[in-house]
Amino acid sequence: QSALTQPASVSGSPGQSITISCTGTSSDIGNVYFVSWYQQYPGKAPKLMIYDVLQRPSGVSNRFSGSKSGNTASLTISGLQAEDEADYYCSIYNDRPPSWVFGGGTKLTVL
Amino acid sequence: EVQLVESGGGLIQPGGSLRLFCAVSGFTVSSTFMSWVRQAPGKGLEWVSVMYSGGSTYYADSVKGRFTISRDNSKNTLYLQMNSLRAEDTAVYYCARGVTALVFDDWGQGTLVTVSS
Repeated sequence: QSALTQPASVSGSPGQSITISCTGTSSDIGNVYFVSWYQQYPGKAPKLMIYDVLQRPSGVSNRFSGSKSGNTASLTISGLQAEDEADYYCSIYNDRPPSWVFGGGTKLTVL
Repeated sequence: EVQLVESGGGLIQPGGSLRLFCAVSGFTVSSTFMSWVRQAPGKGLEWVSVMYSGGSTYYADSVKGRFTISRDNSKNTLYLQMNSLRAEDTAVYYCARGVTALVFDDWGQGTLVTVSS
């Protein structure tokens, strides 16, 4: 199973925009559109924020957006708020055989 | 309201067995795919296993041959039978369901499994 690389931490001030990257290879991120992002607060279950690279589930703020370029997927949070401080994980689905891979996670600190 | 409630975690010695439960409500456990995802203390998320609505099952290499995912439709419950447990299996185990796409839309609160002598 491939590994997805995320920065260990990112930070930003309220109102700013930040981007979290998720780098894979041409065999995974570069070849699929099943990229998703999860938000996790300490001691809580993850929450789906983005799926299929850029789709937002109902109820997720439009301040969260996803994109992909080559072998790197990105999560952008605009208008940063204190409540956005959490861990964020990217994930992809592989179909041969069916499996999911998560990135190592990125801790977002709102200064 | 959709709910997933895990139970069955605890302290177990290396080499031991444990069965996790995920009781669901608000939907039928066989209506969509269900997975187990774990998180070691202070670490990231790791996918463990999936059961599709048709009954097909798949496992991460790290647990293949030791863990078995199953469900009881009459009890609307998902299970994870864990055998030959190792210290590296210590983690919070979450059950999750997929609805929107090949992602995990809903999660339980997790149950902690500690493998230690």
